[in-house]
Amino acid sequence: DVKVTQSSRYLVKRTGEKVFLECVQDMDHENMFWYRQDPGLGLRLIYFSYDVKMKEKGDIPEGYSVSREKKERFSLILESASTNQTSMYLCASRFRGFSGNTIYFGEGSWLTVV
Amino acid sequence: DQQVKQNSPSLSVQEGRISILNCDYTNSMFDYFLWYKKYPAEGPTFLISISSIKDKNEDGRFTVFLNKSAKHLSLHIVPSQPGDSAVYFCAASEPYSGAGSYQLTFGKGTKLSVIP
Repeated sequence: DVKVTQSSRYLVKRTGEKVFLECVQDMDHENMFWYRQDPGLGLRLIYFSYDVKMKEKGDIPEGYSVSREKKERFSLILESASTNQTSMYLCASRFRGFSGNTIYFGEGSWLTVV
Repeated sequence: DQQVKQNSPSLSVQEGRISILNCDYTNSMFDYFLWYKKYPAEGPTFLISISSIKDKNEDGRFTVFLNKSAKHLSLHIVPSQPGDSAVYFCAASEPYSGAGSYQLTFGKGTKLSVIP
């Protein structure tokens, strides 16, 4: 079974704090993704990485950065957390090379910024 | 510009009846379509997919239909069960065009409630 593991399920952070969300996948997938899910807005892509050290901005990259130093690990960084970044964050991964490849999601990280 | 639209935010169905979830798209380049199911406080899980060269794909109680001329797809669940209550996301993918290509677009989701 494919496993995408997000290190923290629930976090509460203060405004202005630096926040790290970690994600690890065990299937040697080239592609990894960070999404956020908000009610009525669906899944919005923050950043996408197609290989180690490679990244592309998604639809809503502002206020976020990412790091992919190893193939299995993709980190999302909130440099200075703000209340409008309170959300559910979802990490995902898949093989590249075919548009029908299934994307596998982690269980999500609920972040509350106070 | 929303390329994948799920126009019904919610749907209620009686247990045992058919659930039909709809999805419309505008990008004629999409060549693969996927449905994901999401329970609260969990990540989405893959349900079923269909290639643009097909018009139907079936997996147990779940069937996806694709109408390319109308740029419309639908997910049928028969019979519906209370455990099917979840948010369903439609997603569409463009053909792979190189290592840096992504081209996977999600709809905003439809919340299905199956009433016992």
